[in-house]
Amino acid sequence: EIVMTQSPATLSVSPGERATLSCRASQSVSSNLAWYQQKPGQAPRLLIYGPSTRATGIPARFSGRGSGTEFTLTISSLQSEDFAVYYCQQYDNWPLTFGQGTKLEIK
Amino acid sequence: QVQLVESGGGVVQPGRSLRLSCAASAFPFSSYGMHWVRQAPGRGLEWVALLSSDGTNKFYADSVKGRFTISRDNSKNTLYLQMNSLRAEDTAVYYCAKPLGMVRAYYFDYWGQGTLVTVSS
Repeated sequence: EIVMTQSPATLSVSPGERATLSCRASQSVSSNLAWYQQKPGQAPRLLIYGPSTRATGIPARFSGRGSGTEFTLTISSLQSEDFAVYYCQQYDNWPLTFGQGTKLEIK
Repeated sequence: QVQLVESGGGVVQPGRSLRLSCAASAFPFSSYGMHWVRQAPGRGLEWVALLSSDGTNKFYADSVKGRFTISRDNSKNTLYLQMNSLRAEDTAVYYCAKPLGMVRAYYFDYWGQGTLVTVSS
């Protein structure tokens, strides 16, 4: 099973600033990585896949990059609605696996 | 728009069974493989199972293999998860999830609202 490790566990950032979240795979997943945002009491929302293609309706301030084992999600200018938990997911191998999440909180 | 509505969750004793349902609408359900993903309280996401569009191919997480069975009824646009021999560690919100594409797109653009399963004596 591919283990996905996200860092940091919690990231404190001020509105308007940039946030960079990391995701590392225990073995190469090629470009088969997605990012999700989850707010309390809600289902996850697909942000990015492939790993740099934004899903429908996702603002341009969200961007993803990486390949192999190292990936990043960047939010260029944080809005109030961006404070949430973010998960990465690999879909290169079975079973599909998620990272443990990064909580993005207001500084 | 696309809707996925789960039902069937509740409180169940260890060792007992429960069947979850996911009613899908507004997309060609019979053309998509469908997934179950769960989330234990305060924890991260765990993929549980996949069933191919025609129901012939099934994949399971090791943690549920041999106890859970995924199935579907394409005439009713409904996905199921039969959960047997339930354990405390199966306590979670269970989501059904639709992949973005019909072929090899194992990431999810639509999720249901989730149904909570609590395994407790």
